[in-house]
Parts: sequence; structure tokens; C-alpha cells
Amino acid sequence: EDKVVQSPLSLVVHEGDTVTLNCSYEVTNFRSLLWYKQEKKAPTFLFMLTSSGIEKKSGRLSSILDKKELSSILNITATQTGDSAIYLCAVEQYTNAGKSTFGDGTTLTVKP
Amino acid sequence: GAGVSQSPSNKVTEKGKDVELRCDPISGHTALYWYRQSLGQGLEFLIYFQGNSAPDKSGLPSDRFSAERTGGSVSTLTIQRTQQEDSAVYLCASSHERGREFFGPGTRLTVL
Repeated sequence: EDKVVQSPLSLVVHEGDTVTLNCSYEVTNFRSLLWYKQEKKAPTFLFMLTSSGIEKKSGRLSSILDKKELSSILNITATQTGDSAIYLCAVEQYTNAGKSTFGDGTTLTVKP
Repeated sequence: GAGVSQSPSNKVTEKGKDVELRCDPISGHTALYWYRQSLGQGLEFLIYFQGNSAPDKSGLPSDRFSAERTGGSVSTLTIQRTQQEDSAVYLCASSHERGREFFGPGTRLTVL
């Protein structure tokens, strides 16, 4: 059974801290791994990772995929209260009609 | 199982036909969401049900789309007179009131 596991389940930090969120997966025919940030309605897309070892970066956020370890991390440096959200990891497959398997998310709370 | 389930897993239909997609949320979850996802893209919010309140339909792209939630549990998303641009993965999620969302496996809809 395809599985995506995120850790930790929740995290509370203070502004300025650096956080690392983890996503591990066990799926057949891996195509890509996606990170989303969910605050209100639909989760907003952050990164799509397909190649191992290549870091994607956007401002204070960065992510990297390790296909050997079947995992990915999402780093947020110098956290701000606006980073408080649920961070979702999803894995797309070539099979399964291209659908994604979602993890349960990590709830990040950044305190002032 | 204990998770959100959706059916069918895949649906291929002809342009102009109506389709119904079903979502069985996690037992006891009062909130239910429908999203649409294109390959490698973000999620598009469609509709949100919370308990007995009037649903938030603000994300439905046209009046061809409608959804019901019977008895506060199972939900059906109906697309009438399907068009090719309706082809996507339709995801359902459920949660306790405004809590963490748990996503179903999705239905891959292909309109020929």
C-alpha cells in the first residue's frame, strides 16, 4: 500500500528559529514529490521535486529530495508568524492514474 | 478502513455526459472538502461542508458542478455535461471542525 508519512505531526517554534519538516514515502513508480502550505482553503503549492539531491529554494524556504532514502525535507529559516500553517507532502506516481498520495501534514506554529 | 475513501478510482467519460464522484469521509468528521488537482499543480478548492451549515460553494467553477452531503456523512460531487477541461483528479478531504484535513486517494476523471 502506498504511504506518505510526515514528521513531526506538530511543531511550535519562536520567530527567528529554523525548522526542518520531514516527509518519507513508500510508493510504486515514483514520479515527483510536492510540498504544499495550507492556511485557509486550498493548500498552496510550494515545490515539486523530481531529481534527487537538487535543492529547490524560494526565499526562506528550501527543499531537497533523497530518492535513496525515499524522503524529503522542507527547511524554513528565520521563521515568521506568517509561516504558521499546515505543511503537506504529496507524492505523484506514474501509475495510480497520476494521482497523489498525501501525508497527514505537519502543523507549524510560530510564536512571536 | 479508517481513512477517507473515494469512488470510483478512475472514471473515463465522453464529453457531454454527467458524472458522479463519491466521497466517504472518516467517521465522526464534521467537515468535508472537495478539491480539484491538475498534474503537478496546486489544489483548487471547490466546496466545503461543515456540519449542518450551508456549504461554502465559492470554489465551484461553473453551475455544471454541484455537491451534496447526505446525513452529514457521504458526499457526492456531480459534474453535468462534462467538458474536456474538467479532466483532473478530484480529491476529497475530511476533518474535525477546522482541524487537520485527511485526504482521500482521489478520483481521476478523464473526459474524452
